[in-house]
Amino acid sequence: EVHLLESGGGSVQPGGSLRLSCAASGFTFSTYAMSWVRQAPGKGLEWVSVISGSGDSTYYADSVKGRFTISRDNAKSTLYLQMSSLRAEDTALYHCAKTQGVVYDPFDIWGQGTMVTVS
Amino acid sequence: ETVLTQSPATLSLSPGERATLSCRASQSVGSLLVWYQQKPGQAPRLLIYDASNRATGIPARFSGSGSGTDFTLTISSLEPEDFAVYYCQQRARWPLTFGGGTKVEIK
Repeated sequence: EVHLLESGGGSVQPGGSLRLSCAASGFTFSTYAMSWVRQAPGKGLEWVSVISGSGDSTYYADSVKGRFTISRDNAKSTLYLQMSSLRAEDTALYHCAKTQGVVYDPFDIWGQGTMVTVS
Repeated sequence: ETVLTQSPATLSLSPGERATLSCRASQSVGSLLVWYQQKPGQAPRLLIYDASNRATGIPARFSGSGSGTDFTLTISSLEPEDFAVYYCQQRARWPLTFGGGTKVEIK
């Protein structure tokens, strides 16, 4: 069964840093681009970043560009999001999502998310 | 960026009724429009990709149509488990963007 499990969320002060992880199982991780999508409490979905299967290509939302870094370890089937210079508006549930293939493909599998609170 | 506007914000319907949800893009996205369903406390689920293709395991009562800037998600006959929030997302241009969502609630 395909499964994504996020971890690393928590409470942090403005200006602080946090690293999120997403452990994948049930599929050949290196074959698929992976993404982070966040959801502020009671709000809609906001795409954050995506990385290609090889890790060579990355894209970011303007709201996080220069502050967040997406990466992956294909040997460990794990996706990461390094977040720095955190702001109150970064408070959200962060989901990792598997794409159907390449960086702009739809998200066909989602994790339950890990909560980040900046306060 | 490509802004997606979903309407209505809330749709109040009874089980068995037909639901019609709209998603309008601020510029053409071709057919590269995706629909997701999200229930309270759950992760989103892929419903429709590229405007009209049902994802694996999605019932036939869900259908999508449209191209360019105007898209529609139709649920032909609402089942109790269909009451949820629905989001559209475009994958034609960076940055990827989502609509604000339409909540389908029980009348």
